[in-house]
Amino acid sequence: DAGVTQSPTHLIKTRGQHVTLRCSPISGHKSVSWYQQVLGQGPQFIFQYYEKEERGRGNFPDRFSARQFPNYSSELNVNALLLGDSALYLCASSTGLARDQPQHFGDGTRLSIL
Amino acid sequence: GESVGLHLPTLSVQEGDNSIINCAYSNSASDYFIWYKQESGKGPQFIIDIRSNMDKRQGQRVTVLLNKTVKHLSLQIAATQPGDSAVYFCAERVGGGNKLTFGTGTQLKVEL
Repeated sequence: DAGVTQSPTHLIKTRGQHVTLRCSPISGHKSVSWYQQVLGQGPQFIFQYYEKEERGRGNFPDRFSARQFPNYSSELNVNALLLGDSALYLCASSTGLARDQPQHFGDGTRLSIL
Repeated sequence: GESVGLHLPTLSVQEGDNSIINCAYSNSASDYFIWYKQESGKGPQFIIDIRSNMDKRQGQRVTVLLNKTVKHLSLQIAATQPGDSAVYFCAERVGGGNKLTFGTGTQLKVEL
């Protein structure tokens, strides 16, 4: 079975531009979460979506937004890109909101801002 | 690919030895913990999880120990192999939802 898939794998943008990152969860998984991982650090939680509704939001500015589609895939949008947005953006999926269900991660999108 | 483990604490072990990776978590209300392995250029890979009502859980070659009194988590890897070389993260969750808070990470290097 396919794992979590993310596209694109790499992306280069300039300051002020916007970007859309895409994620397809594992088949049967209804919850998708987004994380930002800066080099040398652990992932930081950005958003969680379940059944197309936002269920959690981390400490990120309003320039970051996301949505989930009826097929449970998701997009992360970042506007007005800053140099500090350069990071690995990870998507994780799980079956639902039950308390002991592990999240499974994709290999991420490496975003570089010039 | 780029190294995930820049400036991270490093644990070096000989192939075949046992490895113990430690993690101090921050929130006494955390109810669920996960260990992830991250290889260079890859996303975090699920290793093992444990609920807060447990002290120990075993998987294949791995054991997780939870000490809630001192808010400490450890991952033990038996008979460490070169393929175990990676950055290891512990993650905690508080309450409902799926928000995970990750620790700093430890770089494990297996020497032949």
